[in-house]
Amino acid sequence: ETGVTQSPTHLIKTRGQQVTLRCSSQSGHNTVSWYQQALGQGPQFIFQYYREEENGRGNFPPRFSGLQFPNYSSELNVNALELDDSALYLCASSLGVAPSEKLFFGSGTQLSVL
Amino acid sequence: SQQGEEDPQALSIQEGENATMNCSYKTSINNLQWYRQNSGRGLVHLILIRSNEREKHSGRLRVTLDTSKKSSSLLITASRAADTASYFCATDQAGTALIFGKGTTLSVSS
Repeated sequence: ETGVTQSPTHLIKTRGQQVTLRCSSQSGHNTVSWYQQALGQGPQFIFQYYREEENGRGNFPPRFSGLQFPNYSSELNVNALELDDSALYLCASSLGVAPSEKLFFGSGTQLSVL
Repeated sequence: SQQGEEDPQALSIQEGENATMNCSYKTSINNLQWYRQNSGRGLVHLILIRSNEREKHSGRLRVTLDTSKKSSSLLITASRAADTASYFCATDQAGTALIFGKGTTLSVSS
């Protein structure tokens, strides 16, 4: 157990819709990172939040946005869903600012866009 | 973009054998980490090796790092069926995030 929980486990949406994925980090972990993992691929970095501020972003469009709250929870929002957004979305928390720290991953949310 | 690339993409061995997987990366790093993923679920951290270290051990795991060749290897000794999983290397990039490779899928049969 990593102490990181994600909800929901599975989600089905249609193209054009909006989705919010949630993550609860380990208590005391100030950094949360979000990754997208397509089938058969490695996790792709979406963005990272440190103490409620975004402090790093991968090659993802602005329709991918996030929030981090003081209670160690966070959200990933995706607007105008596209078919290619179908993937496993993983959140990971760490004590300090990654990447000098090891990451604790949740079990992920499997998003299917139809 | 993916900083690290694992090799081989897939590996099948018998229980009791050793498994070696390699990772190559492109730019200078401060540390390199290895993670394991079972059945497409969350990743589990295995080991972190810093750029000034050459070798690190954790139980049946042995990791080496050669910064001159920009490569790392993960050795799992005396493999068990429970080691069946995907293994990823991850490197830091510009101090912002861990960037993962595409992974090696290991199958250990009994």
